[in-house]
Amino acid sequence: GQQLNQSPQSMFIQEGEDVSMNCTSSSIFNTWLWYKQDPGEGPVLLIALYKAGELTSNGRLTAQFGITRKDSFLNISASIPSDVGIYFCAGQGGAQKLVFGQGTRLTINP
Amino acid sequence: NAGVTQTPKFRILKIGQSMTLQCTQDMNHNYMYWYRQDPGMGLKLIYYSVGAGITDKGEVPNGYNVSRSTTEDFPLRLELAAPSQTSVYFCASSPGATGGASGELFFGEGSRLTVL
Repeated sequence: GQQLNQSPQSMFIQEGEDVSMNCTSSSIFNTWLWYKQDPGEGPVLLIALYKAGELTSNGRLTAQFGITRKDSFLNISASIPSDVGIYFCAGQGGAQKLVFGQGTRLTINP
Repeated sequence: NAGVTQTPKFRILKIGQSMTLQCTQDMNHNYMYWYRQDPGMGLKLIYYSVGAGITDKGEVPNGYNVSRSTTEDFPLRLELAAPSQTSVYFCASSPGATGGASGELFFGEGSRLTVL
């Protein structure tokens, strides 16, 4: 089946730093989604991408749908303490169901 | 704004016991899903439903059963609990099929299950 490889698995940064994470797929996707999970909560959708090359922002977050349709990137600028959590990419292609990456755990030192 | 509600939030089971995780949503969504989340593994789809009376297997259905008698409710049943079923379980719903603009998943807060 389709698989996603998300990296890095964890990040330890200082408050105010920028963050970058990415996902790559073994097959072509038509949709890329980025979710955030706060401790003890369910994931919440941050950004949805539906077109190759698309670049979409949500406040300090920016995500891109790779031109090859096999990857996506999420950037967070000027990180703040509430950015702490686990970030998941998810992708879907053809008739397949949504597939989730392994997650990137973000820790911020004040 | 209840959204997706799961119960219980925590449960400890002995090997071989049975239990049902409850999930209800008040958004009139047709699509509902059960995922399990294991450390470092992301979310894996167990079962899903596209509407009342219709269910289908996901990626990891073995050891589980579901039913969808109403639009609102989508319970997940474990018949003979095994240690491999120790996980955090998330129920989710969406107005349309995933992959489209109406396919945003709305998740519950999760149910942490430990099988000893």
